[in-house]
Amino acid sequence: AQSVTQLDSHVSVSEGTPVLLRCNYSSSYSPSLFWYVQHPNKGLQLLLKYTSAATLVKGINGFEAEFKKSETSFHLTKPSAHMSDAAEYFCVVRMYTGNQFYFGTGTSLTVIP
Amino acid sequence: EAGVTQFPSHSVIEKGQTVTLRCDPISGHDNLYWYRRVMGKEIKFLLHFVKESKQDESGMPNNRFLAERTGGTYSTLKVQPAELEDSGVYFCASSRQTEAFFGQGTRLTVV
Repeated sequence: AQSVTQLDSHVSVSEGTPVLLRCNYSSSYSPSLFWYVQHPNKGLQLLLKYTSAATLVKGINGFEAEFKKSETSFHLTKPSAHMSDAAEYFCVVRMYTGNQFYFGTGTSLTVIP
Repeated sequence: EAGVTQFPSHSVIEKGQTVTLRCDPISGHDNLYWYRRVMGKEIKFLLHFVKESKQDESGMPNNRFLAERTGGTYSTLKVQPAELEDSGVYFCASSRQTEAFFGQGTRLTVV
């Protein structure tokens, strides 16, 4: 079985402060993990991916995520939030046994000026 | 390289009517997926094509939904007859190996 849990449905940060969006997964096998972002009225854009190479993954727009197998986590971070980061973020796991992509429930990020 | 394109971007139809959504994947991507997000809820898997074959259609809600992928290229998702609960955003994605690339979605409103 596999699932993805995003621990916060809403996160608010002030511009210039760090961002932390939490994601935990459960999987019987080594998964591939992704973070996608959806800005208002836009499609889902890939931020970064983990596919069993380096555990610290760097993505676009200054985001990065660390795969921690012992904690079954894949939290998304950014050192300094920008107004343009306001969006909804999805943690996604892919299992090769079924080849599906499983979505977390999403975290809405608000950046306060 | 063109991304995944979906048509139409918005559709408003009356209950009982038929609607057909189209998805053009990235060229060369054998895997094509349909997902749906009903308002305020999570993004749910509908089905997965590998080329023209349905690999997994376990997420299709009922037999009012029919998906096809002619010749392993573009795909259509038809809802007939549409019900109020079918309203939501329908996403298509294509994948070659690891990550999936998503279209902008079709927002379907059934009134």
